[in-house]
Amino acid sequence: ILNVEQSPQSLHVQEGDSTNFTCSFPSSNFYALHWYRWETAKSPEALFVMTLNGDEKKKGRISATLNTKEGYSYLYIKGSQPEDSATYLCAFMNRDDKIIFGKGTRLHILP
Amino acid sequence: DSGVTQTPKHLITATGQRVTLRCSPRSGDLSVYWYQQSLDQGLQFLIQYYNGEERAKGNILERFSAQQFPDLHSELNLSSLELGDSALYFCASSTSVGYGYTFGSGTRLTVV
Repeated sequence: ILNVEQSPQSLHVQEGDSTNFTCSFPSSNFYALHWYRWETAKSPEALFVMTLNGDEKKKGRISATLNTKEGYSYLYIKGSQPEDSATYLCAFMNRDDKIIFGKGTRLHILP
Repeated sequence: DSGVTQTPKHLITATGQRVTLRCSPRSGDLSVYWYQQSLDQGLQFLIQYYNGEERAKGNILERFSAQQFPDLHSELNLSSLELGDSALYFCASSTSVGYGYTFGSGTRLTVV
C-alpha cells in the first residue's frame, strides 16, 4: 500500500520565525514529488515539482529538498509571515502514474 | 483565476440521483485529474485522462465515471448518489505527467 505521510499535522509558528515540515513517501518506483500551498477557501497552488534525488528548489522565502533514496522531502519557510498561513500538501507520483497526496501540514502564523 | 474552470461551484441533490461535474483544463494542458476531498480526508485521487484517454485510476467507485472530450474538457458523472458522496470535487490539469498541477476552484457536492 502506497502511503504518503506529512508531519506535523498542524503547526503554530510565531511571525518572523523559520519553520520546516516533512513529507515521507515510498522510496521505490519514484517519479516526482510535488509541493502545494492551499489557502482556506481557495484551490491548491503548485509550489515545487521535484524529480531528482538531492534536488533543492527555492521560491522566495520557501525552499524544499528531496531525498528519494530514503523517501522524504522537507519544506522550509524562512521568516514566516501571516500570508504563509495555509495547508501545505505534498504529492508523490510513481512511474506507474499513481499519484498520492498527503493529508497536509496546517501552518498557522501567530502575529 | 487559475485557468482551470469547474462548474457548477455548488450542487445540492438528493440520494439516488445522478449529477455531472464539468471541468475545462488550462489552455494547452492535455492531462485532467479528478480528486475528491471529504471531511477530514486528504485529496483522494479518482481518475486521470490524457488527451482523451484514461491514463490512471485511483479510488474511483463503480458508480462514478468520467470522460475527456476532443476539446479536452472533462466530465465526472456521479450516479446513485449516497450521503457519503458529499465532498469537494477538484479538477486539476497539467501539461503532462510529472508536471505540477493547476487546480480548479472545486465543486462542492452536498447529497441530502
